[in-house]
Amino acid sequence: EVQLLESGGGLVQPGGSLRLSCAASGFTFNSYAMSWVRQAPGKGLEWVSAITGSGDTTSYADSVRGRFTISRDNSKNTLWLQMNSLRADDTALYYCARCGTTSSCLQTAFDFWGQGTLVTVSS
Amino acid sequence: DIQMTQSPSSLSASVGDRVTITCRASQSITSYLNWYQQKPGKAPQLLIYTTSSLQSGVPSRFSGSGSGTDFTLTISSLQPEDFATYYCQQSYSTPRTFGQGTKVEIK
Repeated sequence: EVQLLESGGGLVQPGGSLRLSCAASGFTFNSYAMSWVRQAPGKGLEWVSAITGSGDTTSYADSVRGRFTISRDNSKNTLWLQMNSLRADDTALYYCARCGTTSSCLQTAFDFWGQGTLVTVSS
Repeated sequence: DIQMTQSPSSLSASVGDRVTITCRASQSITSYLNWYQQKPGKAPQLLIYTTSSLQSGVPSRFSGSGSGTDFTLTISSLQPEDFATYYCQQSYSTPRTFGQGTKVEIK
């Protein structure tokens, strides 16, 4: 059974940093690209970042480029999102999602999702 | 960026009704359109990928169609467990963008 378990969320002040983790199990982790998708309270879904199965290629939404860094350790079946220079509009539930291919999250879907970890940016 | 626009934003329907949700892309995305269902307090779940392929375990009352810029999600006979918010998403280009969602409520 595919399982994705996010952690690391919490309350942080504007300008602060946080690192989210996603522990994966139930599938061959390095065979799948992975993504982070967020959802602000009461709002829709916004794709944040993606990384290939090997970890050699990453992509970001304009809203987070230069502030967030996605990475993975295939030996630990873990995905991370390092978030720096956090702003109030980064407040959201952050989901880890598996993409249906190895190479990217393009031309495929987010076929499994974790339950999310809540990030609140506030003073 | 490719903009995805869903209509309607919300609808009220009864159990047994046929429901249709439309998603329009701001430019052609060929067939790279996915649909997700999200229930309150839960993570989204993939329903349909690449316009019309049903994800494993999804009931056959869900179907998808379209190409280019115009796509449709149809629920042939609405069931109580189908009351939720539905999102379309394009996977043609980066950034992968979602529609704003369609909330299906009980009439």
